[in-house]
Amino acid sequence: DAKTTQPTSMDCAEGRAANLPCNHSTISGNEYVYWYRQIHSQGPQYIIHGLKNNETNEMASLIITEDRKSSTLILPHATLRDTAVYYCIVRVRNTGTASKLTFGTGTRLQVTL
Amino acid sequence: DTEVTQTPKHLVMGMTNKKSLKCEQHMGHRAMYWYKQKAKKPPELMFVYSYEKLSINESVPSRFSPECPNSSLLNLHLHALQPEDSALYLCASSQEGLAGLNEQFFGPGTRLTVL
Repeated sequence: DAKTTQPTSMDCAEGRAANLPCNHSTISGNEYVYWYRQIHSQGPQYIIHGLKNNETNEMASLIITEDRKSSTLILPHATLRDTAVYYCIVRVRNTGTASKLTFGTGTRLQVTL
Repeated sequence: DTEVTQTPKHLVMGMTNKKSLKCEQHMGHRAMYWYKQKAKKPPELMFVYSYEKLSINESVPSRFSPECPNSSLLNLHLHALQPEDSALYLCASSQEGLAGLNEQFFGPGTRLTVL
């Protein structure tokens, strides 16, 4: 699986958009970009994934550059409950066998009043 | 039911004890996972079960012994652990198969302390 690079930490004011970048310059054509987050003392939570098109769900939007070498997770209106470590993971989306997630160090997002 | 449950929440054990961690899901997922997470570090995969068969073992020491008695249950048997094995142990599950999505659903974890 391709390696990812994320900033160690970021701050965001409550109510503002949080934009979390991720570099994955060695991504292969069949690898997807996944985002998970881990709120303190909880298990990781799936947020969103994408291949090359931008994606949006009820939690967030994922913007992937045209060359697919980087992406940005957007939380449109951050709240205090969004304070967490956000992990960007690049992996092949298997369709028949169990596969593993390889977590990087992630970005610690602190949402403040 | 979209939950993965883990018991116990906390466990303290001595180096000579034998204990087990339990994980359960009722989402019909056929893949289940054990991860280990040390403080301020990302989770690291230990084992993967697919259709109740061990498919991935990330070179985990034999003092950790996984078991998948059925498609809903996953156990991790612990014996002769070391203090450095103290960590948060996370269980996850995912739906596999040609039409499935393999996003992983995580439980809250068991915080293990080895004295």
